[in-house]
Amino acid sequence: NAGVTQTPKFRVLKTGQSMTLLCAQDMNHEYMYWYRQDPGMGLRLIHYSVGEGTTAKGEVPDGYNVSRLKKQNFLLGLESAAPSQTSVYFCASSYSGTPYYEQYFGPGTRLTVT
Amino acid sequence: AQKITQTQPGMFVQEKEAVTLDCTYDTSDQSYGLFWYKQPSSGEMIFLIYQGSYDEQNATEGRYSLNFQKARKSANLVISASQLGDSAMYFCAMRDPGWRGGGADGLTFGKGTHLIIQP
Repeated sequence: NAGVTQTPKFRVLKTGQSMTLLCAQDMNHEYMYWYRQDPGMGLRLIHYSVGEGTTAKGEVPDGYNVSRLKKQNFLLGLESAAPSQTSVYFCASSYSGTPYYEQYFGPGTRLTVT
Repeated sequence: AQKITQTQPGMFVQEKEAVTLDCTYDTSDQSYGLFWYKQPSSGEMIFLIYQGSYDEQNATEGRYSLNFQKARKSANLVISASQLGDSAMYFCAMRDPGWRGGGADGLTFGKGTHLIIQP
């Protein structure tokens, strides 16, 4: 039982390049989330999904797209990377969308855009 | 809009002492959950403890307890008998049912407290 895994762990991009971050969970959770963490800040929600085939915007969605083609996977895409997207990206999953369930986090992906 | 405030950017505590990390929150919902996460220098987010808004008893998990004062909208984390391994960033977070209207929203985090345990 691996929990939540993220690929890759580190990545360096040049401005304008694109990339996809992959999140996978093996807990059969319906709800999945992408956050970013910047220095001196808590995590901020980028996009989330309440089930296979569904996605919704979070607090800071601009510049990102997501897809949830399979229940266990949640992809985060950067179409044209900008230095402002340099951050640590965390994926999380949860059994339920109610406030009473914790979210399980992946190990994070450290992205640098030069 | 909801908001989480952690007023202590950093704290130094002697080993074996108890430590309280402050968290206040703001929400207009009656139903919400409050969470504390630990982030060590390795970077992962580790769930510590949870308190539901309707829970009458303060949550406890081993050396961690949550001092929940609903009327004051505070949810302070108490770590008893601190250890060197407790040195980390600590984040308070809140989840409430779809304040953005879509349901199943994510957590809103505070900016964190950097706790350093000194021998």
